[in-house]
Amino acid sequence: ELKVEQNPLFLSMQEGKNYTIYCNYSTTSDRLYWYRQDPGKSLESLFVLLSNGAVKQEGRLMASLDTKARLSTLHITAAVHDLSATYFCAVFPTGTASKLTFGTGTRLQVTL
Amino acid sequence: ETGVTQSPTHLIKTRGQQVTLRCSSQSGHNTVSWYQQALGQGPQFIFQYYREEENGRGNFPPRFSGLQFPNYSSELNVNALELDDSALYLCASSLLGVLDYGYTFGSGTRLTVV
Repeated sequence: ELKVEQNPLFLSMQEGKNYTIYCNYSTTSDRLYWYRQDPGKSLESLFVLLSNGAVKQEGRLMASLDTKARLSTLHITAAVHDLSATYFCAVFPTGTASKLTFGTGTRLQVTL
Repeated sequence: ETGVTQSPTHLIKTRGQQVTLRCSSQSGHNTVSWYQQALGQGPQFIFQYYREEENGRGNFPPRFSGLQFPNYSSELNVNALELDDSALYLCASSLLGVLDYGYTFGSGTRLTVV
């Protein structure tokens, strides 16, 4: 069964600092998704990574995918308070287009 | 182009009752998936429907059932509600086989079982 793990589970960081969230998954998958969730709200799609070595950037967030290591990273540059949210990575088990499996989530708190 | 809409937004039910949650897919999407998200947890896959047939199911008991209609809207039914069913239920739509954009999620239904 596919397992998706994120670390850290909780991250408190000061504005202006950099940090990286890690997402590991247990079986082969060639595409990975990052979502953001604000408290009590739905999931907002951030990045879709479709191949090994894929890198995408949007504002202060940059995501990358290493399918050989089964690892994705979400790097935060010069954090601002508006980035405070919970971040999830998600992958499909190999050979299926259903059952998008989510990680445990990383709750990010950016303090002033 | 409309997004994914869910109704109701909030619901309170008593243990043992039955509940129906509704979802309208994003225009052009033919697949709908349902997720349960308990407080502080990641979303857990319940099932997916494509062309009105179940197309994958997670580790949920049979009292969780669903329907997809010809217009691709969907319902999630839960019978014999238990306290642990209290959660945010998310509906997501997609175009089967086209994974480049992932899923589009609705705003969710917050179910509280008392």
